[in-house]
Amino acid sequence: EAGVTQSPTHLIKTRGQQATLRCSPISGHTSVYWYQQALGLGLQFLLWYDEGEERNRGNFPPRFSGRQFPNYSSELNVNALELEDSALYLCASSLGTSGGLHSYEQYFGPGTRLTVT
Amino acid sequence: KNEVEQSPQNLTAQEGEFITINCSYSVGISALHWLQQHPGGGIVSLFMLSSGKKKHGRLIATINIQEKHSSLHITASHPRDSAVYICAVRGGDMRFGAGTRLTVKP
Repeated sequence: EAGVTQSPTHLIKTRGQQATLRCSPISGHTSVYWYQQALGLGLQFLLWYDEGEERNRGNFPPRFSGRQFPNYSSELNVNALELEDSALYLCASSLGTSGGLHSYEQYFGPGTRLTVT
Repeated sequence: KNEVEQSPQNLTAQEGEFITINCSYSVGISALHWLQQHPGGGIVSLFMLSSGKKKHGRLIATINIQEKHSSLHITASHPRDSAVYICAVRGGDMRFGAGTRLTVKP
């Protein structure tokens, strides 16, 4: 069974541009989570989507946005890129919000490394 | 003060040693995760706990909900265990500890 996939692996953008990152969850998973891991900093929660809806959002400005498609894949968009947006962006998926605690167990993708110059 | 505190920040051990990494949190949670991150960034979820203890191979995770504390133990440590171990708690969203960098020397 395929794991969580993310594309692209690496992305280089210039300050002010927009970046689009993509995530495909494990088949059968309806929840997708996005996290940012900036160099030297810990993981920070960005967004959580489930069944096409945004369920929760971390403490990030509105230029970080995303969506979840009917096939449960997800896109993270970062507008007006700033140098400090350079980070590893990780996507994780889980079964969803029904079915007990095990449905929240998250499986992580390999990440997209975004570099803003 | 961070809502999720891990200790130690760095840990160096000799192969075969018993390892303990601690995590304390200050928020209400529905579950606690232990994650392993290897160089290059890949993250693997080791455990998800809401109570008690779980064991998987040489890894053991415990949680004390009343004391808001969890520990990750590695028995008979091996150089391939070298990684960053991250504690994460799930309340309304996920909050992460800063990680413990473990190096196991042969």
